[in-house]
Amino acid sequence: DAGVIQSPRHEVTEMGQEVTLRCKPISGHDYLFWYRQTMMRGLELLIYFNNNVPIDDSGMPEDRFSAKMPNASFSTLKIQPSEPRDSAVYFCASSLGTEGSPLHFGNGTRLTVT
Amino acid sequence: SQKIEQNSEALNIQEGKTATLTCNYTNYSPAYLQWYRQDPGRGPVFLLLIRENEKEKRKERLKVTFDTTLKQSLFHITASQPADSATYLCALPATGGFKTIFGAGTRLFVKA
Repeated sequence: DAGVIQSPRHEVTEMGQEVTLRCKPISGHDYLFWYRQTMMRGLELLIYFNNNVPIDDSGMPEDRFSAKMPNASFSTLKIQPSEPRDSAVYFCASSLGTEGSPLHFGNGTRLTVT
Repeated sequence: SQKIEQNSEALNIQEGKTATLTCNYTNYSPAYLQWYRQDPGRGPVFLLLIRENEKEKRKERLKVTFDTTLKQSLFHITASQPADSATYLCALPATGGFKTIFGAGTRLFVKA
């Protein structure tokens, strides 16, 4: 099992540019989560999907953020336009649909917006 | 609102000693609590789950307790090793839905 795969590992972009982060969850996992981690705010849940359907996007900070899951093996998080305050590490995680199922995280995308 | 608190200060201990990390929560009655380990540049990795009807759970050198009256979980690493140095996060299911909320984590340094 390859685990959750995220790309790119690092992204440096200029303010105003569009950024797309990618995630491949573990096969068979029904849930997919996008988190953001900063020193100030820790790990924050942005959005999660169940069977490719967005269930709760209340953590998405602004309309500049959008996420999609076109199929069970792929999800994207897009920021358009990006701002310096979006600089953070973005994690994707997947899990089975049973109560208490652990989250399996990817190694994250470190985003720097200059 | 639901809140999780972990010691923000790093914990420094000597190899061989027991490390004890604390997780407190408020405005919660979670059915379970999880602990994760995070190494620099990596995503969190699941370690243990303890349910509300369990007082204690063990896995090798790890022990977790869960006191629903105090609203607190303690995470112990016995016979600590330098390889145990990492950030440890506690996590709880948010009320309603399938969300997991994380504490800020406690950084542990084990000196040889």
